[in-house]
Amino acid sequence: GDSVTQMEGPVTLSEEAFLTINCTYTATGYPSLFWYVQYPGEGLQLLLKATKADDKGSNKGFEATYRKETTSFHLEKGSVQVSDSAVYFCALNTNAGKSTFGDGTTLTVKP
Amino acid sequence: KAGVTQTPRYLIKTRGQQVTLSCSPISGHRSVSWYQQTPGQGLQFLFEYFSETQRNKGNFPGRFSGRQFSNSRSEMNVSTLELGDSALYLCASSDYSSFSGNTIYFGEGSWLTVV
Repeated sequence: GDSVTQMEGPVTLSEEAFLTINCTYTATGYPSLFWYVQYPGEGLQLLLKATKADDKGSNKGFEATYRKETTSFHLEKGSVQVSDSAVYFCALNTNAGKSTFGDGTTLTVKP
Repeated sequence: KAGVTQTPRYLIKTRGQQVTLSCSPISGHRSVSWYQQTPGQGLQFLFEYFSETQRNKGNFPGRFSGRQFSNSRSEMNVSTLELGDSALYLCASSDYSSFSGNTIYFGEGSWLTVV
């Protein structure tokens, strides 16, 4: 079946540091790939997505490139802020109604 | 466009009771899915409805059920509540469009505590 493996957390960085959260996947067919972010006490918000190989999703300074050859979709940001502290989830969808999520990576950014 | 709306946001129930959670999808979205989020198990898929039909189902016991109405609003029900059912229940909707990559959008969730 489909699966998503995320880099284990928690991750703690200083403000303005470079962020990478690794995500690899296993899927049948051709999935769409997503990153969601969850702030404390809230639901999941779509951060970015890519729907086919070599697509790059980007939003709010975050980027991720759909790499079919390595089945990866790593999340990056060049300079993190304290406000980026949250839980980040990598996800895939090959079936419109069911998305598969990673376990989430908690990011804490210290000033 | 209004987002996915879930009610109630917070509720406390006693073991053995039942609970019904409600979800209103984004206007025009016909697919509604439900997820359970707990610290230990992460995000787990419960089920998905499309045009009033359950199309996908996760590995949860029969105590967990759902339905979807003709206006795409959905409810999920948990009967005979157990302590382990305490969780954040998330509803998500999708326009079921390959153009959008089958993106699902989440509501704020319903926090259920079973005591």
